[in-house]
Amino acid sequence: RKEVEQDPGPFNVPEGATVAFNCTYSNSASQSFFWYRQDCRKEPKLLMSVYSSGNEDGRFTAQLNRASQYISLLIRDSKLSDSATYLCVVNKNYGQNFVFGPGTRLSVLP
Amino acid sequence: DGGITQSPKYLFRKEGQNVTLSCEQNLNHDAMYWYRQDPGQGLRLIYYSQIVNDFQKGDIAEGYSVSREKKESFPLTVTSAQKNPTAFYLCASSIDLAGYNEQFFGPGTRLTVL
Repeated sequence: RKEVEQDPGPFNVPEGATVAFNCTYSNSASQSFFWYRQDCRKEPKLLMSVYSSGNEDGRFTAQLNRASQYISLLIRDSKLSDSATYLCVVNKNYGQNFVFGPGTRLSVLP
Repeated sequence: DGGITQSPKYLFRKEGQNVTLSCEQNLNHDAMYWYRQDPGQGLRLIYYSQIVNDFQKGDIAEGYSVSREKKESFPLTVTSAQKNPTAFYLCASSIDLAGYNEQFFGPGTRLTVL
């Protein structure tokens, strides 16, 4: 089993839709969790860190379920500009232990 | 503007040649990293450095070498020993090695072996 697995996608949704991505991780010692966004042929950029209590940033909500070892990202009111690949990142302890998921591609259609 | 720069953006190499990819940051970060990204796969760690004159192998270090002579700079050499070097190479940095710190990425270098 891979350390970090994500919904394979692609997700094609109309503007204004709500879309949710799931990510599962295998290492129960994981302590830090992130969602990064990567545009086509560009570098990843931090979208949000994921905290135990869940956190929200505008239209984006991230949740963590340690017992089931999964992380989710919810995007409400999708915009065309949300089209990108979303990377789930899990970290056990140190920066060299970042484990990146393969990503889920989202296309928001007009 | 603070950030990470990588050069060149595109690089073409003949088999049997060594090439060096540049990575510079002006964020005053101690930790720097090199990743490789292949289509449909997650980023994989090649090398990392937590301080000047110190660096450690990541998960896929074979066929690569690095140096960290200055805090700002962490060049990666792809040697002829790397069997499948065609990939997207990303350099990153963070304040230190603490796992809760965000990693900032450079724009990447696309290496193609002809």
